[in-house]
Amino acid sequence: AQKITQTQPGMFVQEKEAVTLDCTYDTSDQSYGLFWYKQPSSGEMIFLIYQGSYDEQNATEGRYSLNFQKARKSANLVISASQLGDSAMYFCAMRSDQTGANNLFFGTGTRLTVIP
Amino acid sequence: GAGVSQSPSNKVTEKGKDVELRCDPISGHTALYWYRQSLGQGLEFLIYFQGNSAPDKSGLPSDRFSAERTGGSVSTLTIQRTQQEDSAVYLCASSLVGTPNQPQHFGDGTRLSIL
Repeated sequence: AQKITQTQPGMFVQEKEAVTLDCTYDTSDQSYGLFWYKQPSSGEMIFLIYQGSYDEQNATEGRYSLNFQKARKSANLVISASQLGDSAMYFCAMRSDQTGANNLFFGTGTRLTVIP
Repeated sequence: GAGVSQSPSNKVTEKGKDVELRCDPISGHTALYWYRQSLGQGLEFLIYFQGNSAPDKSGLPSDRFSAERTGGSVSTLTIQRTQQEDSAVYLCASSLVGTPNQPQHFGDGTRLSIL
């Protein structure tokens, strides 16, 4: 079974500073994918970044980067140069690459507040 | 638009009534997923479709919940004899399959309130 743990219910960051949102996971699968989604107050789920378990380099997408430490089973999201529009809930999710197991397992989320 | 479309956006109904929620995935996406998000919680997987078949129904919470997909496109999630604990946001997502890095793209959800 897969499990995602996000231990930070809420985080604050000063505008223009960087922030790290923690995510650890538990799986016995060898091949899996890790995803981060942003959910603003409007409710939509916005895909941010993906990391494959066999990817040797950390994923980056603009101001988002994923600090992937496979041995520690962690996949922390780093947001650089925070903006007021980054205030939202952030969810870490995992999907097994086993056949038929295509759904995402989500953590409970971290609410990020960017302070002007 | 080109994204996942869900309707209605909001639904208020009385306990005991049946409800149908609709999802129109992104054109060409063969995989379709239903999730439920209770207030302040993460997303809970309900069911997954590949084409018109549902290889994974493991997340459906009870036999009051059912879903179908026709033509490899639109899906409906039906909740019979609704209960107050069914109140949640129901999110639909779609994706391509075959490539592990394909993300799921979500609709805006249906906010269901059971009185």
